[in-house]
Amino acid sequence: DAKTTQPPSMDCAEGRAANLPCNHSTISGNEYVYWYRQIHSQGPQYIIHGLKNNETNEMASLIITEDRKSSTLILPHATLRDTAVYYCIVRVGHNTNAGKSTFGDGTTLTVKP
Amino acid sequence: DAGVIQSPRHEVTEMGQEVTLRCKPISGHNSLFWYRQTMMRGLELLIYFNNNVPIDDSGMPEDRFSAKMPNASFSTLKIQPSEPRDSAVYFCASSQSQGPQYFGPGTRLTVL
Repeated sequence: DAKTTQPPSMDCAEGRAANLPCNHSTISGNEYVYWYRQIHSQGPQYIIHGLKNNETNEMASLIITEDRKSSTLILPHATLRDTAVYYCIVRVGHNTNAGKSTFGDGTTLTVKP
Repeated sequence: DAGVIQSPRHEVTEMGQEVTLRCKPISGHNSLFWYRQTMMRGLELLIYFNNNVPIDDSGMPEDRFSAKMPNASFSTLKIQPSEPRDSAVYFCASSQSQGPQYFGPGTRLTVL
């Protein structure tokens, strides 16, 4: 599975859009980009995923660059409850990177009033 | 749907004791994953099953750890004997084929 790189932390004002970047320059053609988030002491929560096209659901939008080497998760109107650690991972189906830190360190997003 | 169910939510035990963590995946999901999360190592995949069959257990840290999935609606992760360094939050997740994984609330294990 390809390795991802995310900034360790970001701040966002409540009500504004939060744009979380992820670099995955070694992504393979058949690997999907997945985003999860983990609110303190809870299990990770699936947000959205995509292969090459931009995707949108009720939680967020995912923008994938044309060369697929990076992506951006967009929370259009961030609320205080969106404060969490956001993980970007790339994988083909099931994770084959067992034994390693599968989800990396993620980005800690802090939404401020 | 109730989501992934894990029990117990909290477990405190003494070193050397056997610990059994339980997981009920989402109905209809055919893949199940066990993860461990610590501050030092982050979220690590321990083992995953597909159609009740263990596919990759290379993340299981030692022979003290074992996992079973006797049927599509139940899985256990057992640690015997437990050690203080096993203290962590253990998550179970399930997915349908190769789709997104849905996580349970986790079991917080403390080994004294």
